[in-house]
Amino acid sequence: DAKTTQPPSMDCAEGRAANLPCNHSTISGNEYVYWYRQIHSQGPQYIIHGLKNNETNEMASLIITEDRKSSTLILPHATLRDTAVYYCIVNSQGGNEKLTFGTGTRLTIIP
Amino acid sequence: GAVVSQHPSRVICKSGTSVKIECRSLDFQATTMFWYRQFPKQSLMLMATSNEGSKATYEQGVEKDKFLINHASLTLSTLTVTSAHPEDSSFYICSARGTTNTIYFGEGSWLTVV
Repeated sequence: DAKTTQPPSMDCAEGRAANLPCNHSTISGNEYVYWYRQIHSQGPQYIIHGLKNNETNEMASLIITEDRKSSTLILPHATLRDTAVYYCIVNSQGGNEKLTFGTGTRLTIIP
Repeated sequence: GAVVSQHPSRVICKSGTSVKIECRSLDFQATTMFWYRQFPKQSLMLMATSNEGSKATYEQGVEKDKFLINHASLTLSTLTVTSAHPEDSSFYICSARGTTNTIYFGEGSWLTVV
């Protein structure tokens, strides 16, 4: 899997949009960008993924740059329950393709 | 999304004994499951890839004779920590690729070896 780079930590005020950046400059053409989050003492939770188009679901939006070398996860209205470690991972979706976790971004939502 | 369940969520065992952790895909079939280990304040580290009906593929540095993986059916993979020692105490997490190719994770299992 290609490597990703994320800031180690970020703060965001409750109710504001949280924008989490991720660099994946060596991403291959068949690799998707996945975002997961891990709340303390739980397994990672799938958030969203995309290939090259922007994506939106009930949890978040994913903005991928045209050259696909970076992306941003947007939580539109952050709540205290969004405090977690967020992981950006690239993966080619093959049957045995494994997810390799980096250190992620620790997002803290401030009341 | 797809549901992956682990059991037990927490287990305490004595040093030298073996403990089994189960990972089930509840609403889909998974030919491939993945086992991770996570120490406090660290990221998830992949231990092995579990393939239904065949031997697991272990990551470098993971002892296959200590961490036995069995993927006997399309919905169940088990991880057995044999001759457990206190340094094996960790958070063990499994995952499986769902029908839409997205990988979903279980709730995790806390192992404490005393």
